[in-house]
Amino acid sequence: QVQLVQSGAEVKKPGASVRVSCKASGYTFTTYYMHWVRQAPGQGLEWMGMINPTDGNTNYAQKFQGRVTMTRDTSTSTVYMDLSSLRSEDTAVYYCGREKAGGTFDYRGQGTLVTVSS
Amino acid sequence: QTVVTQEPSLTVSPGGTVTLTCASSTGAVTSSYMPNWFQQKPGQAPRTLIYRTSNKHSWTPARFSGSLLGGKAALTLSGVQPEDEAEYHCLLYYGGAWVFGGGTKLTVL
Repeated sequence: QVQLVQSGAEVKKPGASVRVSCKASGYTFTTYYMHWVRQAPGQGLEWMGMINPTDGNTNYAQKFQGRVTMTRDTSTSTVYMDLSSLRSEDTAVYYCGREKAGGTFDYRGQGTLVTVSS
Repeated sequence: QTVVTQEPSLTVSPGGTVTLTCASSTGAVTSSYMPNWFQQKPGQAPRTLIYRTSNKHSWTPARFSGSLLGGKAALTLSGVQPEDEAEYHCLLYYGGAWVFGGGTKLTVL
């Protein structure tokens, strides 16, 4: 069965960086794009960007350009989302989710809480 | 900056029908925006109900349907159940980037 398992909760200080991982199983890793979405407390969902696991190509939301980096490791079927220069507004639950090219979103990870606090 | 707009909140009676909409600041929503609809209950991760305007996943209850209506993407719930009380989010595609709407809080009362 398809599973996307994310890394555990993180607490970071302002200005630091965080890495969240998303390990995929139950399907061929390179046949689906992987997206990252976040949700701040009491807020809606926010699309951050996506990576094509086949070639590592990425598209980032303009808001996160220069601060976010998405990478993948095909040997372990894992994607990573690095967010730098953290500020309190980055406190949120971060989700990975897969998309079959052409707009078919289906499975997502369980979410990772990132707390930014001094 | 592209804005996707949903009704902030809607209320429906059990057994009733309700339509949630998703509008784009760029103009009419068409199938090329590949609308997806997500349901999120408190404390849970969102789950996809509808993809590419009107397609359902195996886990999507039959009472949910997606369409294009009056230049917007639409999610219709027919025969609403108490367990449908949740936040609903739409997602639209803008040529390489995706944008979520602000979400609709659906109350079943």
